[in-house]
Amino acid sequence: NAGVMQNPRHLVRRRGQEARLRCSPMKGHSHVYWYRQLPEEGLKFMVYLQKENIIDESGMPKERFSAEFPKEGPSILRIQQVVRGDSAAYFCASSLGGIMNTEAFFGQGTRLTVV
Amino acid sequence: ILNVEQSPQSLHVQEGDSTNFTCSFPSSNFYALHWYRWETAKSPEALFVMTLNGDEKKKGQISATLNTKEGYSYLYIKGSQPEDSATYLCVTGTASKLTFGTGTRLQVTL
Repeated sequence: NAGVMQNPRHLVRRRGQEARLRCSPMKGHSHVYWYRQLPEEGLKFMVYLQKENIIDESGMPKERFSAEFPKEGPSILRIQQVVRGDSAAYFCASSLGGIMNTEAFFGQGTRLTVV
Repeated sequence: ILNVEQSPQSLHVQEGDSTNFTCSFPSSNFYALHWYRWETAKSPEALFVMTLNGDEKKKGQISATLNTKEGYSYLYIKGSQPEDSATYLCVTGTASKLTFGTGTRLQVTL
């Protein structure tokens, strides 16, 4: 049973381009979470999705950022018109049930660099 | 306490030393507390999920306690080894998200 898979591991984009980050949860997990780690900061919640539905996006910037978790395929975090401040490590986690009392399994992250 | 706070921020011990860290969190609207271990260049790994006041959990030489009434949790490592070197994250959980503390960075040397 493979763990949470994120790709790419490293992504370089020029300012104004789009970044697409992919996350395949663990087999059988229908709950996906995205977190961002800015330089010198801890992990900050962005969005929680449960198959085809966004449950909580309170941590996601209102503009340029979007997330989806389609019925088939990985979850995608999309950042349009990237700016230098978007440079960060983006982590995806999945869980079998709600995060309240079940552990989350994290991927190894995608490190986005905007040049 | 408005956020999850951890102390100390960093800790440097010798192999064989026992150590402990503190996590403080808002005691109101408590749902769950998680401890994660995060080694450099790897992904965070869950150690414990604790929900009940007075909970004590143990995994190998690592154990944790929980006091939801006063809003704190302790993580203990008995007989630290160099492979225990990592950042230990305390995390509170709600129905939809985890709120991470800034972590305690542990360095265990020979």
